[in-house]
Amino acid sequence: DVKVTQSSRYLVKRTGEKVFLECVQDMDHENMFWYRQDPGLGLRLIYFSYDVKMKEKGDIPEGYSVSREKKERFSLILESASTNQTSMYLCASIRGPGNTIYFGEGSWLTVV
Amino acid sequence: KNEVEQSPQNLTAQEGEFITINCSYSVGISALHWLQQHPGGGIVSLFMLSSGKKKHGRLIATINIQEKHSSLHITASHPRDSAVYICAVKDQTSYDKVIFGPGTSLSVIP
Repeated sequence: DVKVTQSSRYLVKRTGEKVFLECVQDMDHENMFWYRQDPGLGLRLIYFSYDVKMKEKGDIPEGYSVSREKKERFSLILESASTNQTSMYLCASIRGPGNTIYFGEGSWLTVV
Repeated sequence: KNEVEQSPQNLTAQEGEFITINCSYSVGISALHWLQQHPGGGIVSLFMLSSGKKKHGRLIATINIQEKHSSLHITASHPRDSAVYICAVKDQTSYDKVIFGPGTSLSVIP
């Protein structure tokens, strides 16, 4: 089975802290995505990557950066966490066009 | 205007009822997904469609590419079907970027 693993399920961080959210997939997928999900707003794309070291901004990239040094790993970075970044973060990956999306289990981040 | 829209937003059904959730989109797509999200947050992919119809158990998904519309049907609904159902499309003009619909919250009452 394809597996998309998000290393941290629940985090509580203080305002101003640097936060790393890691996502690893084990099926050699090219495309990886980071979303956040908030009540009433659905899933919103933060960043995506279609290859190693490549990244594209999604709809809400402000306050976030990403890193894809290896194909299997896509990291989301909050340089200076703020309370409005309290959310559920979801990682997803796809091999390429015409293939199924696979999701991680989500990371719940609370910034206090 | 959102690129992917769903209706209804919320749906309550009696056990056994036939349920239809609709999705319409405005971008050119390479594929459309129906996803299921349970209260714990985990999301699974139910179907991926690029044309026609697919069936899995009590679930049926159809897509009309010309009309840019898809439907998810649940026959003989059951309380365990209670979840949020999300339509997602892969935008063929943008590295297959995935665009999500807002979701339909389904509650099936015994």
